[in-house]
Amino acid sequence: EVVLTQSPATLSLSPGERATLSCRASQSVRSYLAWYQQKPGQAPRLLIYDASNRATGIPARFSGSGSGTDFTLTISSLEPEDFAVYYCQQRSNWPPMYTFGQGTKLEIK
Amino acid sequence: EVQVVESGGGLVKPGGSLRLSCAASGFSFSSYSMNWVRQAPGKGLEWVSSISSGSHYVDYADSVKGRFTISRDNAKNSLFLQMNSLRVEDTAVYYCAREGGVIIPLDYWGQGTLVTVSS
Repeated sequence: EVVLTQSPATLSLSPGERATLSCRASQSVRSYLAWYQQKPGQAPRLLIYDASNRATGIPARFSGSGSGTDFTLTISSLEPEDFAVYYCQQRSNWPPMYTFGQGTKLEIK
Repeated sequence: EVQVVESGGGLVKPGGSLRLSCAASGFSFSSYSMNWVRQAPGKGLEWVSSISSGSHYVDYADSVKGRFTISRDNAKNSLFLQMNSLRVEDTAVYYCAREGGVIIPLDYWGQGTLVTVSS
């Protein structure tokens, strides 16, 4: 079973700054990694799929990179609405299941 | 507009049962795999179960295997989760989510329904 480890647990930044979030897999997941954003009281929203593809309607300031075991979500210039919790996620074929990282909370400094 | 709306949550005693429903609209429901994902209060996301478009393949997290059953009715654009032998640790918001495709994971989510298991 693949385990996803996100770092840091909490990231404190100011609007306008660049955010870099990390997700490490316990074994290679090739490029099958996604990122989600979740705000308090809301459902998660898909941001990035297949490591680097932006989902429909996602602003260009969000970008994803990586393959194998190390992945990064970058927000180039933080907007006030970007402060939220971010999860990485992968799907394995065996055992067939989705796995989520534990999340990174992006908070206003 | 793609929409998925969950219902059926509530308060139930340990050992009890509950059936969650998810009503889908705005897309060809019968063409997509569907999933349930849950989130315990203050915790992260946990995948619970998935079902293929034609119900041929179903999968479960180990934590719910043997107690939960996922099903769907394509004629009624509906997804279900039958939850039996509920435990306190099953307390969570349960989300219904569409699987977008081979490389597109969970692209549309409902707002969730809260299940509380407590005596």
